[in-house]
Amino acid sequence: AQKVTQAQTEISVVEKEDVTLDCVYETRDTTYYLFWYKQPPSGELVFLIRRNSFDEQNEISGRYSWNFQKSTSSFNFTITASQVVDSAVYFCALSEGGATNKLIFGTGTLLAVQP
Amino acid sequence: EPEVTQTPSHQVTQMGQEVILRCVPISNHLYFYWYRQILGQKVEFLVSFYNNEISEKSEIFDDQFSVERPDGSNFTLKIRSTKLEDSAMYFCASMGVTGELFFGEGSRLTVL
Repeated sequence: AQKVTQAQTEISVVEKEDVTLDCVYETRDTTYYLFWYKQPPSGELVFLIRRNSFDEQNEISGRYSWNFQKSTSSFNFTITASQVVDSAVYFCALSEGGATNKLIFGTGTLLAVQP
Repeated sequence: EPEVTQTPSHQVTQMGQEVILRCVPISNHLYFYWYRQILGQKVEFLVSFYNNEISEKSEIFDDQFSVERPDGSNFTLKIRSTKLEDSAMYFCASMGVTGELFFGEGSRLTVL
């Protein structure tokens, strides 16, 4: 069965620190997709990235980077030089594709960036 | 930038009442979803909709729930007789050919 584990419930950092949010997933499929979403205090879910299981290249987008390692079933998310506006709950999610492409979410990590 | 829009943003209702949550997905998307998030918990899949029919539903999506796409643009979630435990944020989402899933801003339902 699919499962996503975000072991870090809360992380607190000071502005400008780098921070890594961990995500470990379980799936029996060889084709699957991994996602990260940001949920700021206003409540909406903001899409950050989608990665398919055949693409293990790390991705960088500005201060954000993602490290996908199939060997450890992990898809970790790093924010470099964190800012107060990065404060939010971050969700990792897994989709096995197929007919519905439904997402299975982790429990989220609350990131608090202190000024 | 195209976005998924949801109404209402917040609805308060009495237990036992019917509620309809509305969504306008991104116009060229083909897959539509409802998810819910009970306060402080993770986001849970409710139902997926493709080609004018339900393609998958979760255990949460029981007979009290239904979805409809009545006019080719709106996508609605109806709860026939609300219970206290239906209080949650309900997110609509749509997905296009790129596989990226975009969520609306959510409709907060409070059942008293």
